[in-house]
Order: sequence, then structure tokens, then C-alpha cells
Amino acid sequence: QQQVKQSPQSLIVQKGGISIINCAYENTAFDYFPWYQQFPGKGPALLIAIRPDVSEKKEGRFTISFNKSAKQFSLHIMDSQPGDSATYFCAASRGPLIYNQGGKLIFGQGTELSVKP
Amino acid sequence: DVKVTQSSRYLVKRTGEKVFLECVQDMDHENMFWYRQDPGLGLRLIYFSYDVKMKEKGDIPEGYSVSREKKERFSLILESASTNQTSMYLCASSARVNYGYTFGSGTRLTVV
Repeated sequence: QQQVKQSPQSLIVQKGGISIINCAYENTAFDYFPWYQQFPGKGPALLIAIRPDVSEKKEGRFTISFNKSAKQFSLHIMDSQPGDSATYFCAASRGPLIYNQGGKLIFGQGTELSVKP
Repeated sequence: DVKVTQSSRYLVKRTGEKVFLECVQDMDHENMFWYRQDPGLGLRLIYFSYDVKMKEKGDIPEGYSVSREKKERFSLILESASTNQTSMYLCASSARVNYGYTFGSGTRLTVV
């Protein structure tokens, strides 16, 4: 129930194409769904996040699509660029961590994205 | 520029050694976390702390301990390093009322 399953494990996309990464979860109490981007030699950094009261959130070329009934959410990268090549992690949590109550982020397995020029 | 700093980028230790990984944050965050990152397994939570001197086990605490004597510093201790603890270790912090985490750049530990 605490797992977040991410696919695919790796993805190769041509420059200008659309990259799509999918995640599925079981715990219906999750209320926060972020995506993190990690470049080689760096720690993950928050890219974009969504709450379950909306079905889509867009920030520039990055869009999260959220399907509450299917318990799935996905990251779409439009007009993918070589500079987008990185590892992407989805995650989910049930509330912020306040003292020892609430959620901690549960991460997916990661997707290594390579955008070819 | 706010950040989470991990003291070492690369470490090589011998089996059986006691290993200390240090993490310092300058954002006055209440929560701090230690994760390990392995290919295909994502980020797995080892320990977390929600206040000074408070610590809780995560999903994979075996073989590890932690210390948080000051708010800004969270240390991960490998009591007796083993080769299966070779991994990338990531420290993160978050404010009590916020969802998002800030990560350090990681320490790549090799146990030989």
C-alpha cells in the first residue's frame, strides 16, 4: 500500500519529442504527488508537484496529469531537449511531516531519460 | 543560496569499519532524512528525524544508526560497514509544514 510504481526504467527520446513517464500508487490517502529531477552528480530537485484536487498542472514544458480514479499520475515533457536528460523520480506522501505525524515521501524506482540530439 | 551540504562526495571504506556520513542544512528545517539510492530501486528511506534528538526508523534501517544533536546536523552511522552498503547516500530536509524536500548532492560510498 505504501509503494509507488514507476515506469519505464529508462527512456530514449529524440530532440523535440514528448517524454512520458508513468507512476501508479495504491494508498488513496496520498495527497501530494511531486516529480523530482536528478542530474548526474547532483541530488534530486523538485521539478513540479500536484495535489489530487486537480487533474493537470503545467509549468513550462512540464505537465503532470493526474487520474485519481485510476490512482495514476504521469509526467509529460513537451519538446524534449538534450538538457532534459536526467533521472526522474515520482513520489507521493500523505500530508507533510509534522513532528512524527503525517507523511514521508515515498519514491518510485526512477526513470533514466536520454534525449538524443 | 539555501542548501543541504553533505561532507563527502566520495568515500572508500573497508569492510568492518565504522563510517560516519555528515549532513548539514542551513534552512532551519525541522525534518531531516537519510536515503540510499540504488539503480532500479529508487530512493529508500533509512532513517529520519523530526526534531533535535528525535529519530525514527525508515524502511531499511538495519546496519545503520543516526544522530541529531543539533537542528542543522544529521549524521548517518554505519556501525560495521559491509559491501552491500556500497551505494549513493542522500540527505534531505524539509520544513515542518511543507511537503517538499531539499536534497544534498549525495555521498557515493564504496565498501571494499
